[in-house]
Amino acid sequence: GDSVTQMEGPVTLSEEAFLTINCTYTATGYPSLFWYVQYPGEGLQLLLKATKADDKGSNKGFEATYRKETTSFHLEKGSVQVSDSAVYFCALTYSGAGSYQLTFGKGTKLSVIP
Amino acid sequence: GAGVSQSPRYKVAKRGQDVALRCDPISGHVSLFWYQQALGQGPEFLTYFQNEAQLDKSGLPSDRFFAERPEGSVSTLKIQRTQQEDSAVYLCASSQSPPGQGGLGQFFGPGTRLTVL
Repeated sequence: GDSVTQMEGPVTLSEEAFLTINCTYTATGYPSLFWYVQYPGEGLQLLLKATKADDKGSNKGFEATYRKETTSFHLEKGSVQVSDSAVYFCALTYSGAGSYQLTFGKGTKLSVIP
Repeated sequence: GAGVSQSPRYKVAKRGQDVALRCDPISGHVSLFWYQQALGQGPEFLTYFQNEAQLDKSGLPSDRFFAERPEGSVSTLKIQRTQQEDSAVYLCASSQSPPGQGGLGQFFGPGTRLTVL
């Protein structure tokens, strides 16, 4: 079945550091890929998405590129802020599932310290 | 409403009790999903509705789990004879369009944290 693997956390960075959170997937066909973020005490929010190979999703300074050849969708940000502290989830939707359910990774907790 | 709302936010049940969890999706959203999120894990799919029709319930872990959306808006997830392994956060999500019509963005509620003692 489809699956998403993301790097183990927690990740602790100093403010203004460069962030990479790795995400790889296995899926039959051509899924759409997502990053969701969960801030403390809040619900999951869509951060960015890409629907086909080589697409780049971007939002709030974060970006990720859909790499079909490496089945990856790594999340990057050039300069993190304390307010970016949250849990980040990589996810995919595969049309073959019939209901467009999301398949999530386990999440990566990011803590940014001043 | 402005977003997806869920109630109650927290529920404590004794093993064997029945519970009902409510989801109010964004007004006009056709698609509604339920997910279960265990501690330290990502959400896992339970079931999907398009309007009032339950089109996919392949993720429901047992026949103790039942979901409905009788009028195509509010949905209820019911768990009968709760067990300790049912302890988790239950998330509801809605999206504007049915699958295949560009409706890939799901909007999530804050979840209901269920603790079974």
